[in-house]
Amino acid sequence: GQQVMQIPQYQHVQEGEDFTTYCNSSTTLSNIQWYKQRPGGHPVFLIQLVKSGEVKKQKRLTFQFGEAKKNSSLHITATQTTDVGTYFCAGRRSNYQLIWGAGTKLIIKP
Amino acid sequence: EPEVTQTPSHQVTQMGQEVILRCVPISNHLYFYWYRQILGQKVEFLVSFYNNEISEKSEIFDDQFSVERPDGSNFTLKIRSTKLEDSAMYFCASGLSGANVLTFGAGSRLTVL
Repeated sequence: GQQVMQIPQYQHVQEGEDFTTYCNSSTTLSNIQWYKQRPGGHPVFLIQLVKSGEVKKQKRLTFQFGEAKKNSSLHITATQTTDVGTYFCAGRRSNYQLIWGAGTKLIIKP
Repeated sequence: EPEVTQTPSHQVTQMGQEVILRCVPISNHLYFYWYRQILGQKVEFLVSFYNNEISEKSEIFDDQFSVERPDGSNFTLKIRSTKLEDSAMYFCASGLSGANVLTFGAGSRLTVL
């Protein structure tokens, strides 16, 4: 069936290091959304990418959508403790169905 | 900022009991969703609802589950006979259109004993 694979499952970083999570779809997506879920919280929408090759930035966060509209990445530069949480990608198919990745948990090492 | 409201925040129930989880979506949104998240695991789609009917449902959404929009504001998820494995956080979400971003509620934690 249609899947969006997201890796890694966990990433441990020292505060100040960078963090990246990747999503790959088995089929072409019409768009991809990114959500952040803080520990004990609910998913909160971060951004939506629509165009092939699109790159969007939100302060230290950089989001990319691949040329084939099958993959996407989120990169955080110089992580801070407030970045802790699980980052989910959700790819939208042409029939509007939203397919979620399994999430990447960002853990800041003490 | 408009928000999706869910009640109860936590419900504890005995196996085999019926549970109703309630959601008040954002008032001008037309698409409604229920998701489930077992502790520490991925967000799992259950069902989407539009124009007073189910538009899509997952394999998880079997005959034990039902959804309803009894009035103009509430959107409910009913589990007829709860099982231990139904213990999870249930999130309601709404969207303005089928292609729009989702706004999630804070969730209802269901614990089945």
